[in-house]
Amino acid sequence: EPEVTQTPSHQVTQMGQEVILRCVPISNHLYFYWYRQILGQKVEFLVSFYNNEISEKSEIFDDQFSVERPDGSNFTLKIRSTKLEDSAMYFCASRKGLAGARGANVLTFGAGSRLTVL
Amino acid sequence: DQQVKQNSPSLSVQEGRISILNCDYTNSMFDYFLWYKKYPAEGPTFLISISSIKDKNEDGRFTVFLNKSAKHLSLHIVPSQPGDSAVYFCAARREYGNKLVFGAGTILRVKS
Repeated sequence: EPEVTQTPSHQVTQMGQEVILRCVPISNHLYFYWYRQILGQKVEFLVSFYNNEISEKSEIFDDQFSVERPDGSNFTLKIRSTKLEDSAMYFCASRKGLAGARGANVLTFGAGSRLTVL
Repeated sequence: DQQVKQNSPSLSVQEGRISILNCDYTNSMFDYFLWYKKYPAEGPTFLISISSIKDKNEDGRFTVFLNKSAKHLSLHIVPSQPGDSAVYFCAARREYGNKLVFGAGTILRVKS
């Protein structure tokens, strides 16, 4: 079964450092997402991406965050200068998005990248 | 912003019995609802969904009920199995919306 893959599974970084989290969405999916879950809290939406541009972002997704789809397969989340409160599990997700297609509305999630900021 | 609420942080059920997980929402613009299951160190896995034009959707042991007037949905698992022990998230999407809004999750523990 097709899956969303994320790397790294765990990254430890110093406060102020840049971090790039990588994702390979399912190949025929059109919409891409980043969510995060701080330990013990709910899964929070960060950003969605469609047609090579951000389609929606949350208030969490400030100027320190950026996303990119550099080569048609990878989808990356960059945090420019990490803060302690960025420590969380970051989930990439994708969905088909084709109107009427079976499962078009279902987001498929990756296993997550755990970011620890010291 | 608690548009999707799961008021029970945890639920413990005996193997073979029914598990009922509840979810309430406040945004009347939500028109599509999903349940995800999550094991530790894994991403959420899609379980079952329901469109607002329906009041019930069934898939094997899993049934989701939607009460639009009460802005309430529930997930029934019958019979419950130990492998069902996980965190269950309710999620909702607005009509023509893009993102899913998640509840805080309910930890289900099925005892054998």
